[in-house]
Amino acid sequence: DSGVTQTPKHLITATGQRVTLRCSPRSGDLSVYWYQQSLDQGLQFLIQYYNGEERAKGNILERFSAQQFPDLHSELNLSSLELGDSALYFCASSVELRSEQYFGPGTRLTVT
Amino acid sequence: GQNIDQPTEMTATEGAIVQINCTYQTSGFNGLFWYQQHAGEAPTFLSYNVLDGLEEKGRFSSFLSRSKGYSYLLLKELQMKDSASYLCAVPRGGSQGNLIFGKGTKLSVKP
Repeated sequence: DSGVTQTPKHLITATGQRVTLRCSPRSGDLSVYWYQQSLDQGLQFLIQYYNGEERAKGNILERFSAQQFPDLHSELNLSSLELGDSALYFCASSVELRSEQYFGPGTRLTVT
Repeated sequence: GQNIDQPTEMTATEGAIVQINCTYQTSGFNGLFWYQQHAGEAPTFLSYNVLDGLEEKGRFSSFLSRSKGYSYLLLKELQMKDSASYLCAVPRGGSQGNLIFGKGTKLSVKP
């Protein structure tokens, strides 16, 4: 158990819908990262927050957005969902920007 | 640009030693990470190398050569539970935050 929690574990929804994925980092970790993992693309970085502020953006679509709240938990919002958005979404956290990242169990999103 | 290459699959026998290679190209090096990922589960941190040489941690060791853009993960005394994907990752663009991951090497350990 990494100490990072993610909810829900599984999510099945229809195309065009909007979902919110939630992540709570390890106690004391200030940095949160979101990654998407699909079978053909591997693990892709989406977005990073540090102590409530956005620090970096990766391959995140405009239909996706995220935020980190004052209590340091983070949410990833996915809208206008498409079949291709079906993937595992992982949240990771680290105590600083320079340290190893610990991953949550992931949310498996299936868009039908 | 930045790129990471790893073999797609490897097979080894229980009790043996296996070496998983990783080559990388990055602008501004800030270390290299190895993660283990069992199918459908979260990646778990194995090692971090920032200086050249070998870092040993139990049955797992990781080696780095910055001049060659090369790293390997060495797994000794293989166990069936070591069957997993092994991901090599480097910080993006020289930052020390978000990571670029290789596509992973799927290791199958046979009895």
